[in-house]
Amino acid sequence: GQQVMQIPQYQHVQEGEDFTTYCNSSTTLSNIQWYKQRPGGHPVFLIQLVKSGEVKKQKRLTFQFGEAKKNSSLHITATQTTDVGTYFCASRFGGGSNYKLTFGKGTLLTVNP
Amino acid sequence: DTAVSQTPKYLVTQMGNDKSIKCEQNLGHDTMYWYKQDSKKFLKIMFSYNNKELIINETVPNRFSPKSPDKAHLNLHINSLELGDSAVYFCASSHIYEQYFGPGTRLTVT
Repeated sequence: GQQVMQIPQYQHVQEGEDFTTYCNSSTTLSNIQWYKQRPGGHPVFLIQLVKSGEVKKQKRLTFQFGEAKKNSSLHITATQTTDVGTYFCASRFGGGSNYKLTFGKGTLLTVNP
Repeated sequence: DTAVSQTPKYLVTQMGNDKSIKCEQNLGHDTMYWYKQDSKKFLKIMFSYNNKELIINETVPNRFSPKSPDKAHLNLHINSLELGDSAVYFCASSHIYEQYFGPGTRLTVT
């Protein structure tokens, strides 16, 4: 079935260090989404990428979609304690209202102040 | 104003019982979903409804029965609860591609 693989599963950093999580697929993806889930919270949509090689920034967060559209990354510069949470990549499969969002297993980021 | 709300937030029950979780969205979205998040945080879609019509039904035991009385509501009824049903259940809604999740219902089956 359609899968998106995400690594690493866990990442612990010192506050101020950078963080990157990676998402990979064996098949070409039409899109990639990123969500953040704070501890005890619910997933919150961050961004969607659809174009080959696309790069988008949100303050200290940089999202990238690979040229072959088989991988994506989320990079956080100078992490803060507010960045703690699980970051999920997800991709939509199917069309119209029949689409299904398949999630990666997530990367849990912890930040030591 | 809460965009996607779920009740109850916590549900503790015994094996064999039947329980329901309710979800409501006030975003005017056409599509609603149920997801299950297990103890390892893996998020898996269970059902998807578009305008009250079932669109996606993943390989979920038929003890789970969703019901959408109108496009703003999607409820989940679970019969004969089992230990393995313990998880956090999230409702979500979407208009185009971005999904909005509810706060989740933590179900514990003892």
